[in-house]
Amino acid sequence: SQQGEEDPQALSIQEGENATMNCSYKTSINNLQWYRQNSGRGLVHLILIRSNEREKHSGRLRVTLDTSKKSSSLLITASRAADTASYFCATTGNQFYFGTGTSLTVIP
Amino acid sequence: EPEVTQTPSHQVTQMGQEVILRCVPISNHLYFYWYRQILGQKVEFLVSFYNNEISEKSEIFDDQFSVERPDGSNFTLKIRSTKLEDSAMYFCASSERRTGAETQYFGPGTRLLVL
Repeated sequence: SQQGEEDPQALSIQEGENATMNCSYKTSINNLQWYRQNSGRGLVHLILIRSNEREKHSGRLRVTLDTSKKSSSLLITASRAADTASYFCATTGNQFYFGTGTSLTVIP
Repeated sequence: EPEVTQTPSHQVTQMGQEVILRCVPISNHLYFYWYRQILGQKVEFLVSFYNNEISEKSEIFDDQFSVERPDGSNFTLKIRSTKLEDSAMYFCASSERRTGAETQYFGPGTRLLVL
């Protein structure tokens, strides 16, 4: 299976702290994307990193990709209560495979 | 900003009934997708659709499921005879080009409850 697997499954931090979530996958990919899902809502695209990229930034988000280890990390800096959500990585080959997600709680 | 829309937001149906979930993809997108997410589980790919035909489907997408683009704007998922285990959130997505180096834009989902 090409499915991504995130860890930790759940993360609870204080507002202002940084949150790091990791994703591992099993086969070669074209790109890896991170999505956010608020409880009971749809998926919102956060950032895409291509297989030939190692790091990418977007606002308070920093994504790294290590294709040799088949892993990626998402760092949210200076977290806010509004960042509370589930975060999924999705890998793309011919299909889109989502991981199980990390549930992030940011405590005000 | 253009977005994918889905209707209805919630649907409750009796087991064995047919349901049609509707999606309006982003207008200049050519590839369309359906996913489902059973409560508390990961998002699972069901099917992708391009040029009026299915391009990929997962093993979940059996004969009970069908997709259609009945006109230039709508994209539908039909479940012919719903089962209890079809209860899930169903997401539609669209992209400009085939998934490979392309972002998929997701709709807000339809929550289906089969009783």
